[in-house]
Amino acid sequence: QKEVEQNSGPLSVPEGAIASLNCTYSDRGSQSFFWYRQYSGKSPELIMSIYSNGDKEDGRFTAQLNKASQYVSLLIRDSQPSDSATYLCAVKPSGGGNKLTFGTGTQLKVEL
Amino acid sequence: KAGVTQTPRYLIKTRGQQVTLSCSPISGHRSVSWYQQTPGQGLQFLFEYFSETQRNKGNFPGRFSGRQFSNSRSEMNVSTLELGDSALYLCASIAGTSTGELFFGEGSRLTVL
Repeated sequence: QKEVEQNSGPLSVPEGAIASLNCTYSDRGSQSFFWYRQYSGKSPELIMSIYSNGDKEDGRFTAQLNKASQYVSLLIRDSQPSDSATYLCAVKPSGGGNKLTFGTGTQLKVEL
Repeated sequence: KAGVTQTPRYLIKTRGQQVTLSCSPISGHRSVSWYQQTPGQGLQFLFEYFSETQRNKGNFPGRFSGRQFSNSRSEMNVSTLELGDSALYLCASIAGTSTGELFFGEGSRLTVL
């Protein structure tokens, strides 16, 4: 079992729709969770972090965390073609340091 | 504020050679992490340095090594290159000691022939 699992996609949604990206993780002791966006040929950039159960909203993005189910999700409202990218889920275990375990990413395509 | 600077951006080596990659973090950031990204394995953690000390190390062979200097700049070295080492090597700069919020450089793309 992979430590962080994501559906590789591609996930295709029409412009203006809600895109839902999902991630599960195996280390129950994980404390911090992140979503990174990576455009083709570019490096990943942090778009959301979440540390406690529930929802966290930032503009059109909402991260959801359920530690009991070991599940993290990212919702993108009013999807735009510029949102087309690979979205990487990352998990940081408890303890010090900044070692992250990344999923292999979900490719999102927002179609006109 | 300048971002994370990685050099060189592209390089081609042959099997058996060694390579050194450099990373200058964001000014004021004292923690640097290195990741290897390949199409098959995704992003894999190599190591993390904080104040010149290696704090974490990933599951890579001893051919992969790194260090951090007093000005927070970091280098990683890969010796005896193998074809499978072809990858994008990403350096990340971190503001705090344990936030997990990484700011990546553009990466160094290594091709091993």
